[in-house]
Amino acid sequence: KAGVTQTPRYLIKTRGQQVTLSCSPISGHRSVSWYQQTPGQGLQFLFEYFSETQRNKGNFPGRFSGRQFSNSRSEMNVSTLELGDSALYLCASSFRTDAEAFFGQGTRLTVV
Amino acid sequence: LAKTTQPISMDSYEGQEVNITCSHNNIATNDYITWYQQFPSQGPRFIIQGYKTKVTNEVASLFIPADRKSSTLSLPRVSLSDTAVYYCLVGDFAMYSGGGADGLTFGKGTHLIIQP
Repeated sequence: KAGVTQTPRYLIKTRGQQVTLSCSPISGHRSVSWYQQTPGQGLQFLFEYFSETQRNKGNFPGRFSGRQFSNSRSEMNVSTLELGDSALYLCASSFRTDAEAFFGQGTRLTVV
Repeated sequence: LAKTTQPISMDSYEGQEVNITCSHNNIATNDYITWYQQFPSQGPRFIIQGYKTKVTNEVASLFIPADRKSSTLSLPRVSLSDTAVYYCLVGDFAMYSGGGADGLTFGKGTHLIIQP
């Protein structure tokens, strides 16, 4: 079956703009988590959604937000982009909380 | 969450067995040890998980001593394609998932380089 699909794969934005990234989880998976990966900070948890509800959020400013739709697809939005937001954004899905997580290939965001 | 310490990098050669050790002195009774592999510009991939003694799957083995304060990921007969970053994660059973509502906590990982 298809894996976790993230779109777009690559994105270049200008400081101050906003961006929306999309994640389609594996069919049947209801939990979607988002992570930011940078060379300096490594992999950091952004937030997790389960059945359209955000259950927790990592230590990121309010410029980072997300949502999950009834079909479990998820989007994350970053407003007022800063240079430091340049990173690989990864999405992971799982069937339920105690099930294995599967990661997508990520979206490489470059802010110039 | 238990803090983990693993080597920043390791080198080996094709065909060799590679052992990566992770220290987790503050591991709690309910914690499991999980290893992930990540290739450049890709998401991490689950390799193996264990609680105590030894666990083996088609990809790797995980050795956990009785005190559980450390663990060793063993990759048999590595190839060039095993060059990747390997992360050791320690947490309760929910960590096996996306980490549940709290997410997975990744450290810096070990950059394994396999040479011909």
